[in-house]
Amino acid sequence: ELKVEQNPLFLSMQEGKNYTIYCNYSTTSDRLYWYRQDPGKSLESLFVLLSNGAVKQEGRLMASLDTKARLSTLHITAAVHDLSATYFCAVNLNNNDMRFGAGTRLTVKP
Amino acid sequence: EAQVTQNPRYLITVTGKKLTVTCSQNMNHEYMSWYRQDPGLGLRQIYYSMNVEVTDKGDVPEGYKVSRKEKRNFPLILESPSPNQTSLYFCASSAGYEQYFGPGTRLTVT
Repeated sequence: ELKVEQNPLFLSMQEGKNYTIYCNYSTTSDRLYWYRQDPGKSLESLFVLLSNGAVKQEGRLMASLDTKARLSTLHITAAVHDLSATYFCAVNLNNNDMRFGAGTRLTVKP
Repeated sequence: EAQVTQNPRYLITVTGKKLTVTCSQNMNHEYMSWYRQDPGLGLRQIYYSMNVEVTDKGDVPEGYKVSRKEKRNFPLILESPSPNQTSLYFCASSAGYEQYFGPGTRLTVT
């Protein structure tokens, strides 16, 4: 059975600091997603990673994928308060059967 | 505006009373999906549909039904709701790699 594990589950960091969220998954997949969810809101797509070594960046967020290690990372650079949210990774199985991690609740403090 | 809509947004009901949550998308997407979100568990896929009249079970299909008679609509049916189906439900649609989520339906079963 596919397992998708994120860590940490809770992350409190100061503005200006860097940190990485990890997403491990237990079976092969051709797609990995990162989403952001603000409290009381729906999910917003951040990145779709399609191949080994893929790296995508948007603002202070950078995502990477290592399919051999079955690991994706979401790196936060110089965090700002606006990045406070819950971040989910999700892995696509065949035919769009999706599995999500439990989420990482990020709080950025001044 | 491209969007996924869900109705109702909030629903409180009693055990055993059949209910339907509607989902509609205006993007002509072939793929649609239902998820439930519970604290600490991330999102779990209930059912998904690759096209009209094509549906398949996700991770947690027990207690739910779906139908896909038209491309734009993908209702979620709870024939006999139970308290353990109290959750936040999201519908999503996609064409290709990008998945678009609806605003969510918060369901409470007493």
